[in-house]
Amino acid sequence: SAVISQKPSRDICQRGTSLTIQCQVDSQVTMMFWYRQQPGQSLTLIATANQGSEATYESGFVIDKFPISRPNLTFSTLTVSNMSPEDSSIYLCSALDSLNTEAFFGQGTRLTVV
Amino acid sequence: GNSVTQMEGPVTLSEEAFLTINCTYTATGYPSLFWYVQYPGEGLQLLLKATKADDKGSNKGFEATYRKETTSFHLEKGSVQVSDSAVYFCALGNMNRDDKIIFGKGTRLHILP
Repeated sequence: SAVISQKPSRDICQRGTSLTIQCQVDSQVTMMFWYRQQPGQSLTLIATANQGSEATYESGFVIDKFPISRPNLTFSTLTVSNMSPEDSSIYLCSALDSLNTEAFFGQGTRLTVV
Repeated sequence: GNSVTQMEGPVTLSEEAFLTINCTYTATGYPSLFWYVQYPGEGLQLLLKATKADDKGSNKGFEATYRKETTSFHLEKGSVQVSDSAVYFCALGNMNRDDKIIFGKGTRLHILP
């Protein structure tokens, strides 16, 4: 199994600013993903973080708002840009195990935009 | 596209009651099916999984059987405990294809002592 560390674990940010969330995996993984979990809701996939190429975004999410980096096989960042209160959510990093049979999740970053 | 539908919560049961949380799916191909659990204040954990039709996933007394004919993956436990109180998410993924995992809306479970 993979152990995923995310930071920060929580933050309170002013509207109009940006926050970068870091995700570190304890082993090399091919696939990494970023999800959003709004209060009381399910997880919605934002994008797939591809190593060596641009991220692949899901419908309703764009690179200008959620730029993603994936510099190597153990690390990724998600930036939430020009934040508004509607961006208040939990953001989760995920990675597939080496056999691509199941996904592991970080503890999440609880973001509050005021 | 792929989707997962699970029963609305919250579900409230007494300790030792029988639990069923319904989950049905729509998918192309032959997806893997998962149940994830989120305990209060904690991250998401894989509870069990099944990778092909008629497979039964099991863990911690929970079971779910991959039913292709009814496109279902219902979660069951014969005798729930207070410590099972959590949010349960049904999910699917076409592993080794696009590898994305799609989640249902989640079902909050409360177990009363």
